[in-house]
Amino acid sequence: AQSVTQLDSHVSVSEGTPVLLRCNYSSSYSPSLFWYVQHPNKGLQLLLKYTSAATLVKGINGFEAEFKKSETSFHLTKPSAHMSDAAEYFCVVSRINDYKLSFGAGTTVTVRA
Amino acid sequence: SQTIHQWPATLVQPVGSPLSLECTVEGTSNPNLYWYRQAAGRGLQLLFYSVGIGQISSEVPQNLSASRPQDRQFILSSKKLLLSDSGFYLCAWSDGQRYEQYFGPGTRLTVT
Repeated sequence: AQSVTQLDSHVSVSEGTPVLLRCNYSSSYSPSLFWYVQHPNKGLQLLLKYTSAATLVKGINGFEAEFKKSETSFHLTKPSAHMSDAAEYFCVVSRINDYKLSFGAGTTVTVRA
Repeated sequence: SQTIHQWPATLVQPVGSPLSLECTVEGTSNPNLYWYRQAAGRGLQLLFYSVGIGQISSEVPQNLSASRPQDRQFILSSKKLLLSDSGFYLCAWSDGQRYEQYFGPGTRLTVT
């Protein structure tokens, strides 16, 4: 079965410093991987996606993620955090054959002024 | 471009009352449609999944049901709400040929 593990439930950073959110995946085939962001009481917004093209994926709002097959990881980074980045982030993997998704437990990001 | 709508945005209902949440998608045809529930402090739980009109797959047995009366309309219902039905309900759609899903703004349901 396909699954993801988000290694940090909570990450706190200072404004202007880098952000790193860690995600490991488990899949018996080459998966599609995604990062979503959710601000309080809002729906989920797609940040970026990996679908077997370039391993370094650039997304919206300055985020990017690198697919590393040897490490089964898909970590999300941003060089400089902004206050508006405070939100919950979900790492997501596609499930085989049925177009459903498996979600990680989420990482809450706090940005300190 | 595609747009997904959900209503109502918030809802407070007593235990035992019925429920109807509606989701509509604009700008695409024959989308896959999904209902998720997000309980406080927990991840997303897929409730129902539909690949076409009248075709509903249930992921977990529960007090809820779903219907798809039109191509771009997805309805979540209950005959009698339980306290445990409280949560944030999200509708999503995807293109049948792609994996990424696009989410609506959600409905906050509080059962009292």
